Amino acid sequence: ETGVTQSPTHLIKTRGQQVTLRCSSQSGHNTVSWYQQALGQGPQFIFQYYREEENGRGNFPPRFSGLQFPNYSSELNVNALELDDSALYLCASSLGGQGTKQFFGPGTRLTVL
Amino acid sequence: KQEVTQIPAALSVPEGENLVLNCSFTDSAIYNLQWFRQDPGKGLTSLLLIQSSQREQTSGRLNASLDKSSGRSTLYIAASQPGDSATYLCAVPDSSNTGKLIFGQGTTLQVKP
Repeated sequence: ETGVTQSPTHLIKTRGQQVTLRCSSQSGHNTVSWYQQALGQGPQFIFQYYREEENGRGNFPPRFSGLQFPNYSSELNVNALELDDSALYLCASSLGGQGTKQFFGPGTRLTVL
Repeated sequence: KQEVTQIPAALSVPEGENLVLNCSFTDSAIYNLQWFRQDPGKGLTSLLLIQSSQREQTSGRLNASLDKSSGRSTLYIAASQPGDSATYLCAVPDSSNTGKLIFGQGTTLQVKP
């Protein structure tokens, strides 16, 4: 059984650019949640995908968007990057629903210059 | 709106000491509470998950307790070791159907040899 994987590990972009982050869910999991963690803070929920549909969104602007594929892997896209987007982006997979355990990937460190 | 708070923000102890990390939450209607460990720049490793019907969970030198009525959880680490140095985060799922996790800001622990 493979765990949650994310790519790339690190990424450096400049303000105004666009970025795509990728996540492969744990085998058997149909739900992927994305979180943003700024330095020294706890992770903040961005959105969740369940069976290829967005299933809830946190307080993030529309330039944060995502996709989930039939194999339940997922992408997080961020357009018009801002300096404040610099953070660790974490994805978590689960079986979905309230109270189900979420399994986290190693994260992607995004730096916006 | 659920809020999670962790005190203290940072803690430094000598090796061998027993210690307690605190987590409080404002809405006692939770499904479960989870404690995570995060090494610098890395993803989250789940340590313990306590269901709402449970009072405590143990794994090795770690013991987590839950008191829903008072909105508190503690993580007890026995005989601390330098390898325990990390940031410890607690999280509860919110009441929406996403089960998104609401995190505290974490306690950064340093265990000195």
